[in-house]
Amino acid sequence: EPEVTQTPSHQVTQMGQEVILRCVPISNHLYFYWYRQILGQKVEFLVSFYNNEISEKSEIFDDQFSVERPDGSNFTLKIRSTKLEDSAMYFCASKGTDSRTDTQYFGPGTRLTVL
Amino acid sequence: AQSVTQLGSHVSVSEGALVLLRCNYSSSVPPYLFWYVQYPNQGLQLLLKYTSAATLVKGINGFEAEFKKSETSFHLTKPSAHMSDAAEYFCAVSLYNQGGKLIFGQGTELSVKP
Repeated sequence: EPEVTQTPSHQVTQMGQEVILRCVPISNHLYFYWYRQILGQKVEFLVSFYNNEISEKSEIFDDQFSVERPDGSNFTLKIRSTKLEDSAMYFCASKGTDSRTDTQYFGPGTRLTVL
Repeated sequence: AQSVTQLGSHVSVSEGALVLLRCNYSSSVPPYLFWYVQYPNQGLQLLLKYTSAATLVKGINGFEAEFKKSETSFHLTKPSAHMSDAAEYFCAVSLYNQGGKLIFGQGTELSVKP
């Protein structure tokens, strides 16, 4: 069964460093998402991406964040200058052709630890 | 704005007992509703979804949920708990007039006692 994959599974970085989290969505999907889950808190929407552009972003997704689909298969989340409060589990998700009803399939997540 | 409230951050049941996880939503337009399960150190897996068809929705692993518009609820049930059901369960809402982003509840951790 097709699945969403994410790398790395765990990333440790120093505050102020740039990190890139990578995701490979399911191949025929058109909608892509990033969510994060701070330890002990709910899963929060960060950004959605469709047709090579951001379709929606949350208040969390400020100028320090960016997303890219560089080669038609990978979908990346970049944090330019990490803060302690960016420590969280980051989930990538993808969805098929129906923007309303299709299921979002989630990857296993990348645990980001900012020291 | 839409929101999701899950009553009870932690629910404990005995093996074989009924599982009931509560979810209430707030939405000004007809919502689509989802239940996801997260096993330790894994991603989120869809259990079931409501997308304006039948109000009683059956999902994987014997779970089902009923959409009740009058109560703005979408509670998850399973008649008989199994040890393997121990996990974190998330209720989520998405709106048809948005790009499909999911708004999640706080999650309910289900423990199953032998």
